[in-house]
Amino acid sequence: GQQVMQIPQYQHVQEGEDFTTYCNSSTTLSNIQWYKQRPGGHPVFLIQLVKSGEVKKQKRLTFQFGEAKKNSSLHITATQTTDVGTYFCADPQQYSGYSTLTFGKGTMLLVSP
Amino acid sequence: NAGVTQTPKFQVLKTGQSMTLQCAQDMNHEYMSWYRQDPGMGLRLIHYSVGAGITDQGEVPNGYNVSRSTTEDFPLRLLSAAPSQTSVYFCASSGQGPYEQYFGPGTRLTVT
Repeated sequence: GQQVMQIPQYQHVQEGEDFTTYCNSSTTLSNIQWYKQRPGGHPVFLIQLVKSGEVKKQKRLTFQFGEAKKNSSLHITATQTTDVGTYFCADPQQYSGYSTLTFGKGTMLLVSP
Repeated sequence: NAGVTQTPKFQVLKTGQSMTLQCAQDMNHEYMSWYRQDPGMGLRLIHYSVGAGITDQGEVPNGYNVSRSTTEDFPLRLLSAAPSQTSVYFCASSGQGPYEQYFGPGTRLTVT
């Protein structure tokens, strides 16, 4: 089945450093979603990107969808300890108005104060 | 609104035992799904439902059964638990379309 690959698997940064995680697909994606999961918690929706080349910002988080809609990235500027968690991209595959999600394996972010 | 609720939060089973993980949502969402999360594997879809009476298999359905008799509830049944089913199970729901999915707090299951 369709897969989305995420890199890196893990990153440890000092507070204030930037962080980027990448999501790649071998096939063209219709949309892409990003979720964050805090340690011991559940995934929480961050954003959905739909258009080729789309860039969206949420405070210190910048999300980008590639021109070919085969890749996406999440960039965090000046990380804070509250950014700790695992970030997942997910490919929504649509069926008759609903969609199932195929998740990447996630990037775990650790931020040291 | 409570959102998506799951019970129990923790469960330990012996191999061969059966149990039902409960999931309920109060957002009137038609779409509900079950995922399992294992270290380094991300979240994998087990079963999903697009409405009462309609269910379908996801990526890893073996060993699990589901039914959907109401819009609110979507229980997951383990028929004969195996150690390979030790995992964290998340239930999720969403409205129509490629919209965000709302996840429950999860059930941590250990099978010995």
